[in-house]
Amino acid sequence: GQNIDQPTEMTATEGAIVQINCTYQTSGFNGLFWYQQHAGEAPTFLSYNVLDGLEEKGRFSSFLSRSKGYSYLLLKELQMKDSASYLCAVMDSNYQLIWGAGTKLIIKP
Amino acid sequence: DAGITQSPRHKVTETGTPVTLRCHQTENHRYMYWYRQDPGHGLRLIHYSYGVKDTDKGEVSDGYSVSRSKTEDFLLTLESATSSQTSVYFCAISETKGVNTEAFFGQGTRLTVV
Repeated sequence: GQNIDQPTEMTATEGAIVQINCTYQTSGFNGLFWYQQHAGEAPTFLSYNVLDGLEEKGRFSSFLSRSKGYSYLLLKELQMKDSASYLCAVMDSNYQLIWGAGTKLIIKP
Repeated sequence: DAGITQSPRHKVTETGTPVTLRCHQTENHRYMYWYRQDPGHGLRLIHYSYGVKDTDKGEVSDGYSVSRSKTEDFLLTLESATSSQTSVYFCAISETKGVNTEAFFGQGTRLTVV
C-alpha cells in the first residue's frame, strides 16, 4: 500500500530552527510537496522536490532523498505566524497526491 | 495567487437533498481533485480528473459523483446528503511543466448537513 509518515506534533521556540521529517512508500514518484495550513484555511504551497537535494526558499528549505524515501522541511528563524500544520504529499505514478496526516507545529515565545 | 475558486464557500443543507459544489480554474491545468478534510483524518481524496470527461474514484467516493465537461470546471455532487458528509471540501488543481509539477488548492467549501 501507499503510505506517508510524518510526526503528529512538534514544538519549537521563536527564533529557532525546526526540521519536520516525512517518509514515504508510494507506487511511483512524480515529486514531493510541502504545504502549510493554518487552522480554518486552505493548504498553501511551500515547496516541490523531484530531484535529490536541497531546495532553499527564504526561511524555508526542503530536502529530498528518493533512494531513502525521505524528505524534510527546514524552517529557520521561526516566527509565531509559522504555527500551523505542515502537510507532506507525494504525487504517484497516476498523478494522484498521496497525503500524510500533517504535522502540527507549535511555536512558543 | 493561482486561479482557482470554489463555490459556494459555505452551505447548510438538509439530509436527503442533493448538493453540488463547483470548482473553477483559469490555469488550464489538466488534473483536478476533490478532497474532504475532517479532524483526525487529514485530506482524503473523493474523486479526481485527468482531463475532460476523464474521472476516477478516490478512497472515499461513496455517495459522491463528479463531472468535468470543460477543462476549467469540476463539479462535485452529493446525491443525497447525509450528516456524515458534513465536512470541509477542497478542490485542487495540478499540472506538470517540464521537470516541475505545481499543485494549488481552492479556498474550501464548508458544508453542513442538518
